[in-house]
Amino acid sequence: QQQVKQSPQSLIVQKGGISIINCAYENTAFDYFPWYQQFPGKGPALLIAIRPDVSEKKEGRFTISFNKSAKQFSLHIMDSQPGDSATYFCAAKARGSRLTFGEGTQLTVNP
Amino acid sequence: EAGVVQSPRYKIIEKKQPVAFWCNPISGHNTLYWYRQNLGQGPELLIRYENEEAVDDSQLPKDRFSAERLKGVDSTLKIQPAELGDSAVYLCASSLPGSTDTQYFGPGTRLTVL
Repeated sequence: QQQVKQSPQSLIVQKGGISIINCAYENTAFDYFPWYQQFPGKGPALLIAIRPDVSEKKEGRFTISFNKSAKQFSLHIMDSQPGDSATYFCAAKARGSRLTFGEGTQLTVNP
Repeated sequence: EAGVVQSPRYKIIEKKQPVAFWCNPISGHNTLYWYRQNLGQGPELLIRYENEEAVDDSQLPKDRFSAERLKGVDSTLKIQPAELGDSAVYLCASSLPGSTDTQYFGPGTRLTVL
């Protein structure tokens, strides 16, 4: 059962631009929404995470926007850099349950 | 601080052969996870350990997959016999006690079954 739907599947952005990746979930019991960054040959690394008590969280160039009523959340990468080129996964988790990952977005930032 | 260590990094085997993957979690992390990541997809949990106890193995194909975590530290995931569809990256992750939201992943083992 696909509980977290992620889009787009791939994204190409120019250096300095804004990258936006969206995720939608179904399970209203989810209370933790992380984003992971994965480079080729590496495991996923936690980038930023949010809980539903806030609508936005910012860490450096990375921002999560959360819309509880729409059951959607998104990752914004400001001033995108070639070094940001990677695959990004959204995920969701309910208390005591497993992490459910989206299918990933392959981001390419052109110089 | 060392991260999650996995070996081997790559493994190529013929179908029907056995294969084993090893994981050493971050020191002090009592929760250990094994995930499978198919090409172009997100990781999917196979099994979760709290110390030596497997507390969530509902997605582990028990007819051919087995796992153990003796002494509550290192863990081994085994497939016997391997099938073509088992080709994937097998990721190990760990987390601190009482903090299962934040999981730290190892680099994974890329398995190719021919």
